[in-house]
Amino acid sequence: AQSVTQLGSHVSVSEGALVLLRCNYSSSVPPYLFWYVQYPNQGLQLLLKYTTGATLVKGINGFEAEFKKSETSFHLTKPSAHMSDAAEYFCAVTLNQGGKLIFGQGTELSVKP
Amino acid sequence: DAGVTQSPTHLIKTRGQQVTLRCSPKSGHDTVSWYQQALGQGPQFIFQYYEEEERQRGNFPDRFSGHQFPNYSSELNVNALLLGDSALYLCASSNDRAPIGGPTEAFFGQGTRLTVV
Repeated sequence: AQSVTQLGSHVSVSEGALVLLRCNYSSSVPPYLFWYVQYPNQGLQLLLKYTTGATLVKGINGFEAEFKKSETSFHLTKPSAHMSDAAEYFCAVTLNQGGKLIFGQGTELSVKP
Repeated sequence: DAGVTQSPTHLIKTRGQQVTLRCSPKSGHDTVSWYQQALGQGPQFIFQYYEEEERQRGNFPDRFSGHQFPNYSSELNVNALLLGDSALYLCASSNDRAPIGGPTEAFFGQGTRLTVV
């Protein structure tokens, strides 16, 4: 069975600081991994995805994530936080890209001026 | 491209009532999935429809049912509503027939906020 654990339900950073949101997964077969962002009262927007190939994945808005099989991790980073990055971030895993997504509990990112 | 559209955006129902939520997938998508997101939680998979059939189902009771129409749009029905059914219901669409290497990830709608009182 697959599962996702997001370490830290709340992360607070200063504007311009590094953003690091942690995600660990459990899967019996090579998974597809995703990061989604959710702004208040809105749906989910895809930030980036890992399917196969290059383990460092670049997404929208300057975010990137690295798939580390040995650590079963897929942490999300951004070198410099903007105020507009404040939102809820969800890591998700699936066995096939259009299939059932298993989500983590989410991490709320706050950005201080 | 209108993306995934859901209606209504907000809904208030009384315990015991029935509700129907609607979803139109992104243009070119043929698969629709429904998720329930309780406050402060990640979305939970309810079920997925493809070719008008329920293809996969999560751990939800039979009170939750759905339908997919020939134009790929979908409905989620919930009977005998409980207070615990209050949540944001998200619809996601994807393309099961995308060419190899093409995008098949799920795109989400804005959701329907259901409140059961």
